[in-house]
Amino acid sequence: AQSVTQLGSHVSVSEGALVLLRCNYSSSVPPYLFWYVQYPNQGLQLLLKYTSAATLVKGINGFEAEFKKSETSFHLTKPSAHMSDAAEYFCAVTTGRRALTFGSGTRLQVQP
Amino acid sequence: NAGVTQTPKFRILKIGQSMTLQCTQDMNHNYMYWYRQDPGMGLKLIYYSVGAGITDKGEVPNGYNVSRSTTEDFPLRLELAAPSQTSVYFCASSYTPQQISGNTIYFGEGSWLTVV
Repeated sequence: AQSVTQLGSHVSVSEGALVLLRCNYSSSVPPYLFWYVQYPNQGLQLLLKYTSAATLVKGINGFEAEFKKSETSFHLTKPSAHMSDAAEYFCAVTTGRRALTFGSGTRLQVQP
Repeated sequence: NAGVTQTPKFRILKIGQSMTLQCTQDMNHNYMYWYRQDPGMGLKLIYYSVGAGITDKGEVPNGYNVSRSTTEDFPLRLELAAPSQTSVYFCASSYTPQQISGNTIYFGEGSWLTVV
């Protein structure tokens, strides 16, 4: 079985502040993990993915995520938020046996 | 390249009406998917296809039908629209299955459907 939980449906940060979006997964076998971003009225775009190589994964737009097996986590971070980062972010998991399972999403607001 | 193209982008349906959401991709991908996204929820897989002529149910297939007569096209059919089908629908495609090496899938821009 595979599942993913995103903690916090809404996160608000100030411009220039650290962004931390939380994702915990459940998987019976080593997972592949993804973060997608969705801007208003658009489809999903891949930010980054973990596929059992380096545990620290760097993505587009300055985002990165660290795979922590002991904590079953794959949190998304960015050192300094920009107004253009305001969007909805989805964590997703696959174990290699089934299609992607998505989290319920976290809406990021960036305050000026 | 256009990538994954969905039409229509917006549609309002009356209860009991039928419609087809069109999806086409120009990347020669074998694998195609239909997802729905409800407010405050993640994406749920409706149907998927592993190649022309082959389709299978996903997590939430009830009330929908699909066909895959060509590699490029993967239409989603709603036969008797119900308010519970009000959602945003996303078509996606990938070269290999999502479950192999975490392959990247490509999403269309979405179709907003309201059933009243």
